[in-house]
Amino acid sequence: DAMVIQNPRYQVTQFGKPVTLSCSQTLNHNVMYWYQQKSSQAPKLLFHYYDKDFNNEADTPDNFQSRRPNTSFCFLDIRSPGLGDAAMYLCATSRAGLSYEQYFGPGTRLTVT
Amino acid sequence: AQKITQTQPGMFVQEKEAVTLDCTYDTSDPSYGLFWYKQPSSGEMIFLIYQGSYDQQNATEGRYSLNFQKARKSANLVISASQLGDSAMYFCAMREGDRDDKIIFGKGTRLHILP
Repeated sequence: DAMVIQNPRYQVTQFGKPVTLSCSQTLNHNVMYWYQQKSSQAPKLLFHYYDKDFNNEADTPDNFQSRRPNTSFCFLDIRSPGLGDAAMYLCATSRAGLSYEQYFGPGTRLTVT
Repeated sequence: AQKITQTQPGMFVQEKEAVTLDCTYDTSDPSYGLFWYKQPSSGEMIFLIYQGSYDQQNATEGRYSLNFQKARKSANLVISASQLGDSAMYFCAMREGDRDDKIIFGKGTRLHILP
């Protein structure tokens, strides 16, 4: 089935040690999103790609970077994770357009020790 | 100002009863789309229903319906005949026409269905 895949599902990293989360999609959607979600909160948009155009949210820390080498793949890099970065990270895709829903991956739960 | 407001942090509902989850939105764009997502405790976000700003009729999908009141900027989700499996977080979200690549989420409502 076409889907959004996130690897790994669980990631443990040490304080300050860079970590990369990956997302791939088989839907050929032109928009890919990265959200951070903390317990019992709404997903917080970090950034998104509209094709190759990168759109950073104003309040996304510089510590968070992203790459989209092709349509199918998108990466989230956390350069120096802090304890406050422990969260669920959700990748989503969609077509651009008012009526198109987002398809979400299962998420990567990041623990920072 | 919040663009999507969900005023009910949590709700408890008896199984088989209908439940309404509130959502109000704020936009000056005449073109917009409204979505509801469900997030069970397992974490996956599941799309439930969509309503376009120009749609004349309220959207329905099985047991889910959207009570769209455009003048009041309200897009409440109605779940008929609730089931234990409906226990989850529910998020209301919006796309606006001038930036239709971006979706804004509300803070969510946690729904508990009681047996």
